[in-house]
Amino acid sequence: GQNIDQPTEMTATEGAIVQINCTYQTSGFNGLFWYQQHAGEAPTFLSYNVLDGLEEKGRFSSFLSRSKGYSYLLLKELQMKDSASYLCAVVDSNYQLIWGAGTKLIIKP
Amino acid sequence: ETGVTQTPRHLVMGMTNKKSLKCEQHLGHNAMYWYKQSAKKPLELMFVYNFKEQTENNSVPSRFSPECPNSSHLFLHLHTLQPEDSALYLCASSQNRDSSYEQYFGPGTRLTVT
Repeated sequence: GQNIDQPTEMTATEGAIVQINCTYQTSGFNGLFWYQQHAGEAPTFLSYNVLDGLEEKGRFSSFLSRSKGYSYLLLKELQMKDSASYLCAVVDSNYQLIWGAGTKLIIKP
Repeated sequence: ETGVTQTPRHLVMGMTNKKSLKCEQHLGHNAMYWYKQSAKKPLELMFVYNFKEQTENNSVPSRFSPECPNSSHLFLHLHTLQPEDSALYLCASSQNRDSSYEQYFGPGTRLTVT
């Protein structure tokens, strides 16, 4: 079967750095997305990785290793507004989007 | 402003009621999706429309009935629902059905079935 694993919940301190991991076992791979979802709001696109390596976008970076079936989202200089759920999703060989259950990130002052 | 709107935002209905959820996208996209989001579970894809044609129905019970009159509008008709259908229902759109395109989500309808 197809599976996406992410931690259920993480806590970090304002101003710090946090890394949210995502491991996947899917039938093929055609890209990996990260979305952010604040409570009661719509998920919004953060990043898309299809090649190995690190993609940096401001305070957020996303890393992919296809050989290890692994990705992480790195958030730097954490702000209170970063408190949200972070969803990992993989595009499989049939171009279906397989979603993880999301990681709830709690930022403390 | 996401460009995808959903109404109503909240809905409480009894098991014998009939109601409809509405989604509208202003992005000129060709693909639209219905998802069910339950607490601590992955997003469940329910239906996909590409160029107004339904391309996927992921074993969704017949008490959920989608309708896509044009590329900008998507409805989800609900009848004789069960309490376990209570969830957040999200609509999304993308350039086309190719999953390599990012999806734009609406704010969702929080549905409670009593």
